[in-house]
Amino acid sequence: DGGITQSPKYLFRKEGQNVTLSCEQNLNHDAMYWYRQDPGQGLRLIYYSQIVNDFQKGDIAEGYSVSREKKESFPLTVTSAQKNPTAFYLCASSKQLVAEAFFGQGTRLTVV
Amino acid sequence: GDSVTQMEGPVTLSEEAFLTINCTYTATGYPSLFWYVQYPGEGLQLLLKATKADDKGSNKGFEATYRKETTSFHLEKGSVQVSDSAVYFCALSEGSGGSNYKLTFGKGTLLTVNP
Repeated sequence: DGGITQSPKYLFRKEGQNVTLSCEQNLNHDAMYWYRQDPGQGLRLIYYSQIVNDFQKGDIAEGYSVSREKKESFPLTVTSAQKNPTAFYLCASSKQLVAEAFFGQGTRLTVV
Repeated sequence: GDSVTQMEGPVTLSEEAFLTINCTYTATGYPSLFWYVQYPGEGLQLLLKATKADDKGSNKGFEATYRKETTSFHLEKGSVQVSDSAVYFCALSEGSGGSNYKLTFGKGTLLTVNP
């Protein structure tokens, strides 16, 4: 079945450590996205990528980094510079930038 | 910039009640409009969409009509079930004439349906 796979589902990190969240899709979509979800705030865009080897900052990119070396993969690194990283992270993809997005199951990151 | 405003929850209904969740938007171009649903601990699933004015999106008994004159896309269902309990997000995406290449989401509305 085609879809988007995020791993791990739950992730714990100590303060000061970098951590990478995985996102893989087999939908042959060109565009991929990372969103952050906090209670009562909806979804906020961290980074997006329209094509391999290209990505753009979203609304809250500070403290995050991404790469897009393969069409299927768009990993997100939460760096130690992110001041409040505890959140639910959602990866999504779409055929093109303005089409509807398909979401993964999310990764819940907790800083301990 | 683009924005989406949806009614704040939580919304609590009894089974078989009528549901309306209001959504209004601000956009510079001609956006596509979406409703997404999120069940506890999961990602978002597309519920329905409309791409131009007066379009009606529908799925699983839910429907919403793209009203350009009132910049609205209200979600309705005639008879809710316990299994409809979830968070509902209204969202927009600019069309090809716009420069805002992303989905803009409302803050979400928590719906709880009691038996």
